[in-house]
Amino acid sequence: AQSVTQPDARVTVSEGASLQLRCKYSYSATPYLFWYVQYPRQGLQLLLKYYSGDPVVQGVNSFEAEFSKSNSSFHLQKASVHWSDSAVYFCALSPTNSAGNKLTFGIGTRVLVRP
Amino acid sequence: AQTIHQWPVAEIKAVGSPLSLGCTIKGKSSPNLYWYWQATGGTLQQLFYSITVGQVESVVQLNLSASRPKDDQFILSTEKLLLSHSGFYLCAWSRDSGNTLYFGEGSRLIVV
Repeated sequence: AQSVTQPDARVTVSEGASLQLRCKYSYSATPYLFWYVQYPRQGLQLLLKYYSGDPVVQGVNSFEAEFSKSNSSFHLQKASVHWSDSAVYFCALSPTNSAGNKLTFGIGTRVLVRP
Repeated sequence: AQTIHQWPVAEIKAVGSPLSLGCTIKGKSSPNLYWYWQATGGTLQQLFYSITVGQVESVVQLNLSASRPKDDQFILSTEKLLLSHSGFYLCAWSRDSGNTLYFGEGSRLIVV
């Protein structure tokens, strides 16, 4: 069975500061990994994804994430946040051989950016 | 470009009443379709997925059912709502298994 752990339920940062959101996963092989963002009362939007290759992946809105097989992690980063980055961020995992594409989500990290 | 539309945007329903939520995908033939449920402030849980018309697989039993009457349409329903059905229902599509999921805007359900 696979699982995703996001250890930080809430993160508060000042506008212009850097942001790192942690994600650890448990899976027997290298999975597909995703970061999604959910703005208030909206659906989920894909920020970035990792399938294979370069462990550092670039996403939308200047977000990037680094995959580490040795640490079973897929942390999300942004160098300088804007107030509009306030949202809930979900890390997700998909097995590479999933017939139903069963995405397993973490509990999410709520980010508040202070002006 | 592909678009995904969910309806209704929000509903307030009484316990024991029926429910039908819909999802339509345009611009992609034969997509994989999914229903997810999100409790208020919680994470997402996959409920159903469908690879082809008329075929739906259940992932979690929550006294809900799903159907795919057309290639581009996915319906979530129940004949009797429970209080525990309250939450946010998200429809999603992907090109095939193991690929990225693209979500709709969701339908918010409050059961009273």
